[in-house]
Amino acid sequence: GAVVSQHPSWVICKSGTSVKIECRSLDFQATTMFWYRQFPKQSLMLMATSNEGSKATYEQGVEKDKFLINHASLTLSTLTVTSAHPEDSSFYICSAPRDLGETQYFGPGTRLLVL
Amino acid sequence: GEDVEQSLFLSVREGDSSVINCTYTDSSSTYLYWYKQEPGAGLQLLTYIFSNMDMKQDQRLTVLLNKKDKHLSLRIADTQTGDSAIYFCADIYNQGGKLIFGQGTELSVKP
Repeated sequence: GAVVSQHPSWVICKSGTSVKIECRSLDFQATTMFWYRQFPKQSLMLMATSNEGSKATYEQGVEKDKFLINHASLTLSTLTVTSAHPEDSSFYICSAPRDLGETQYFGPGTRLLVL
Repeated sequence: GEDVEQSLFLSVREGDSSVINCTYTDSSSTYLYWYKQEPGAGLQLLTYIFSNMDMKQDQRLTVLLNKKDKHLSLRIADTQTGDSAIYFCADIYNQGGKLIFGQGTELSVKP
C-alpha cells in the first residue's frame, strides 16, 4: 500500500491565489522530504529539499518566496505555491526516503491547474 | 553536474522481453533505481541496485549494472500490456537522498 500520501490530488485555482499541497509519510518518520515538479511528457525536476526543524534547501532557479516549504513534523511537509500563475500549472510530486535512505517512496502527485 | 540519460521510446510485443537502458555520469553512485509511472500517477519504486552488485533479479525484473561503463539496464521478462508506462532510472546524488532522474522511457506493449 501507499507509504507516502499527498493532498489534494487535483486543484484548480484562479491566478493570484495561493495553493497548499501536503505530503505525508504514513508509517514512517521522515526528517527529509523532497519536492519535484513534472511537466507533461518530461522528467521530474527536483525543486527543493524539505528539512524537519530547519529551512528548506532550494535548487538553483527555484524561487523560495514563491514556493514556500514547511516541514511541520516528522511526517508532514507542505508546499505552498504563492500567488499562482498559469505557468505554475504542473504536476507536483513529493518523496520521502526510508530505511536509511536507500529506498525512496513517492506520493501520488498533485496536479495543479491555474486559470 | 550529474546526468542520467535514457532512450525515450521502446515498443515490444506482448510476451517478448523488454530491455530499457540508462547511462549515468556519477562515479560515486551508491544506489541506482528504476521507477514506473503510469499516466496521471505518481512514481512506483520497481527495484534498486547497490553499486557493488552486478545483477539483481526480482520475479520478472532483472537489473544489470556495469559500473565501469556506468550503464544500467532493466529487463522485463514476458512483457504484458499492463507494463505499458514510463520507466525512469534514477541516481542518488551525493548521498543526500536527492534523486537525479533520466528523461524516462515510454514502453508501449502491443498485443
